[in-house]
Amino acid sequence: NAGVTQTPKFQVLKTGQSMTLQCAQDMNHNSMYWYRQDPGMGLRLIYYSASEGTTDKGEVPNGYNVSRLNKREFSLRLESAAPSQTSVYFCASSEQRGPNQFFGPGTRLTVL
Amino acid sequence: DAKTTQPPSMDCAEGRAANLPCNHSTISGNEYVYWYRQIHSQGPQYIIHGLKNNETNEMASLIITEDRKSSTLILPHATLRDTAVYYCIVRSPVAGSYQLTFGKGTKLSVIP
Repeated sequence: NAGVTQTPKFQVLKTGQSMTLQCAQDMNHNSMYWYRQDPGMGLRLIYYSASEGTTDKGEVPNGYNVSRLNKREFSLRLESAAPSQTSVYFCASSEQRGPNQFFGPGTRLTVL
Repeated sequence: DAKTTQPPSMDCAEGRAANLPCNHSTISGNEYVYWYRQIHSQGPQYIIHGLKNNETNEMASLIITEDRKSSTLILPHATLRDTAVYYCIVRSPVAGSYQLTFGKGTKLSVIP
C-alpha cells in the first residue's frame, strides 16, 4: 500500500496563478484533510471531508477550495495564489471514527 | 478542544528514556489525548492516544494523571531516529470527523 500520496512535491507559482494540489489514499478511509504548515509552526487545518460527498471548512479556509472527487481523492485548489500561501501542504486521511490520521509527504509551495 | 502546553525543546541521551510532558488542565471528560511526531520535512506520524488509562504500544507509553490534567509520553530507549517535534493534542469528535489542532510541540533532540 502506498498510503497517502501527494502531487506535486514542489511547486513555484507567481502571484495570481492558480493550481490544484492532488491527494489520494489507498486505505479505504472515509475522512480526508488538508493542512498547511508555515515555518516554525504547527499544522493548521484548511478543509476536511468527513465522508465522500461532504466538505467542511477548517481553521484557515480563505483563498482555498476543495473537491472530494471520490472516496480515494481529495484535491485542494488555489484560484489566485498569494505570497501568504507559501507553505508546506499536507494531506491526511482517517477512518471516520478512527483514532489516528495518516499523513502524506507534503507539497512545498512557494508563491513569488 | 482543550489547549495544551508543552516545553519548546528537550534533549535526551541516546539509549535513555525520553519523557515528554504535556499540560492540558482544561480537558473535558470526552476528550482524548493524542501524541504525534514530525520528523524533519515529513508528514506527522501518529504515536499513541488515551482517555484516562495508561497506554503502551510498540512505539511508546502514555501516562495520564488521575485528574487528567497532564500526561507524559515515554520513549523507553531513545534512538537518533526519534529526533523530531512531538505534538500533544487533545481532541473531541466534531461532525463525525476528527479535526486535530497542532500547537508548536516539543522539539526532542536525541544526542549520541
